[in-house]
Amino acid sequence: KAGVTQTPRYLIKTRGQQVTLSCSPISGHRSVSWYQQTPGQGLQFLFEYFSETQRNKGNFPGRFSGRQFSNSRSEMNVSTLELGDSALYLCASSLAGLAGAGQYFGAGTRLSVL
Amino acid sequence: AQSVTQLGSHVSVSEGALVLLRCNYSSSVPPYLFWYVQYPNQGLQLLLKYTSAATLVKGINGFEAEFKKSETSFHLTKPSAHMSDAAEYFCAVSEGSGTSYGKLTFGQGTILTVHP
Repeated sequence: KAGVTQTPRYLIKTRGQQVTLSCSPISGHRSVSWYQQTPGQGLQFLFEYFSETQRNKGNFPGRFSGRQFSNSRSEMNVSTLELGDSALYLCASSLAGLAGAGQYFGAGTRLSVL
Repeated sequence: AQSVTQLGSHVSVSEGALVLLRCNYSSSVPPYLFWYVQYPNQGLQLLLKYTSAATLVKGINGFEAEFKKSETSFHLTKPSAHMSDAAEYFCAVSEGSGTSYGKLTFGQGTILTVHP
């Protein structure tokens, strides 16, 4: 069974631009969560989607948004990029997003904002 | 609110020595606890999870962790370190409540170095 796939692996953008990241979950998994990983703040939860609905959201500004499609694939969008948005963005999938299920992560998209 | 504290941002051991990575948690409800490993330029790999069954949890690659409610701890151990264990390890908690869908709260990570 294929794992979680994130594309692209690397992105370079400039301040003010917007970016879209993609995540394909493990087949059969309906919950997709997104995390931001930085050296200073560590791993922080962005949001979670299940059946095309956002069920949970972390403490990030509205510039960070996401969506999920009927095939459970998810995209994350960041508008008006800032230097501080440079990070590794990780996507994780689980069957239903329940607390005890454990999440399975992709390799991430490394975003550099210049 | 839930939180995780990993004691020691760097741990160094010799090959063949015991590995002990410490994790303490705070949770207002019975928690679910996880250990993940991250190798350079990769995502996180699930090592093991505690979901209120057995308090001693065995995971992959010879790792295990013991849930101690009285100490609010979930330390990760491996009897004999291997060079391939060198990586960063993260402890994470998820609360068993409806507001925790898909949300893991992570500790700051512990970098494990293994010396020959």
